[in-house]
Amino acid sequence: RKEVEQDPGPFNVPEGATVAFNCTYSNSASQSFFWYRQDCRKEPKLLMSVYSSGNEDGRFTAQLNRASQYISLLIRDSKLSDSATYLCVGTGGGNKLTFGTGTQLKVEL
Amino acid sequence: GAGVSQSPSNKVTEKGKDVELRCDPISGHTALYWYRQRLGQGLEFLIYFQGNSAPDKSGLPSDRFSAERTGESVSTLTIQRTQQEDSAVYLCASSLDGGSYEQYFGPGTRLTVT
Repeated sequence: RKEVEQDPGPFNVPEGATVAFNCTYSNSASQSFFWYRQDCRKEPKLLMSVYSSGNEDGRFTAQLNRASQYISLLIRDSKLSDSATYLCVGTGGGNKLTFGTGTQLKVEL
Repeated sequence: GAGVSQSPSNKVTEKGKDVELRCDPISGHTALYWYRQRLGQGLEFLIYFQGNSAPDKSGLPSDRFSAERTGESVSTLTIQRTQQEDSAVYLCASSLDGGSYEQYFGPGTRLTVT
């Protein structure tokens, strides 16, 4: 079983839609979680950290459910520019980050 | 300030040759990571350096892969006797410290083994 698992998608949604991604992790000792965004043929960039209490940044909301070992990302009022691959990331052993394979989002007119 | 830089940006090499990839982390970042990303795939952890601690080499796929880092500065990833399956983008990232700190990625080196 992979340490971090994501639905690869693609999720095709119309502009303005709300879309949610889930990610499950297997290491119950994982402490920190993040969502990174990767545009086609570009390097990943941090989108937001995920806190136990949940956190919101504009149109983006991240949630962590430790009991069920999953994290989620909700994007409201999606824009064409949100089209990208979203990588779920958790801390593995020590200080190493473990990346999921990513969920591809395509926002369409 | 300057971000993470990597060189070369592209490298084409013949099967069996050795290659050396370079990463310049952000100044002051103590943690440095190397990842490999094959076309259409996720990031594959290779190696992690944290300060003067022994590196975490658990992700290196074979003994043909090695990496060094001088103090808290430049790192080089060396692939010996390259194989076609080594073709990928090699990404370097640095962070202020390990674990919970944001990783900043370089633009990557696209390696093609012919």
